[in-house]
Amino acid sequence: EIVMTQSPATLSVSPGERATLSCRTSQSFSSNLAWYQQKPGQAPRLLIYGASTRATGIPARFSGSGSGTEFTLTISSLQSEDFAVYHCQQYNNWPPSFGQGTKVEIK
Amino acid sequence: QVQLQESGPGLVKPSETLSLTCTVSGGSISSYYWSWIRQPAGKGLEWIGRIYSTVSSNYNPSLRSRVIMSVDMSKNQFSLNLTSVTAADTAVYYCTRDLGIAVASYWGQGTLVTVSS
Repeated sequence: EIVMTQSPATLSVSPGERATLSCRTSQSFSSNLAWYQQKPGQAPRLLIYGASTRATGIPARFSGSGSGTEFTLTISSLQSEDFAVYHCQQYNNWPPSFGQGTKVEIK
Repeated sequence: QVQLQESGPGLVKPSETLSLTCTVSGGSISSYYWSWIRQPAGKGLEWIGRIYSTVSSNYNPSLRSRVIMSVDMSKNQFSLNLTSVTAADTAVYYCTRDLGIAVASYWGQGTLVTVSS
């Protein structure tokens, strides 16, 4: 199973600032990576797949990049509704596997 | 708009079978991949398995010996059975509809299943 490592565990950011979240994988692959947002008590919501393709209805301030073993989710200007936990997930190999999540909190 | 709703017992005794059903509304269950994903409290997500119609299924190797998934086309539902449960199976269980790839695009609200005597 591909091991996913997200950093940092917690990111403190002020509203309007830029947030950069990292996801490292134990095996290299091109783009079979997704990002999800999860708020307390809610199911995750798909943000990005194919490493950089925004899902339907996702604002342009969310962007994904990377390949190989290093992937990044960038939120260009944090809005109040963006404070949440973010999960990365690989689907290059079966079984799909997730990172432990990065919590983005208000600074 | 596709909606998914999990249902089933919230409490299961150790060694028994956890059975959950996901009811799909707003779209047909045919021609899509459907999955179960779980999340223990305060922990990460774990993909349990996925099924396509009644044709094919793939299970996480870590759970394969205990998992069976099935689809009921007539009821627009799919189900999860997890046998011989232990406290480690306590989690929120989500049903999802996937893109053709193993990416969960629609999620149910989740249901908490506790394994305890």
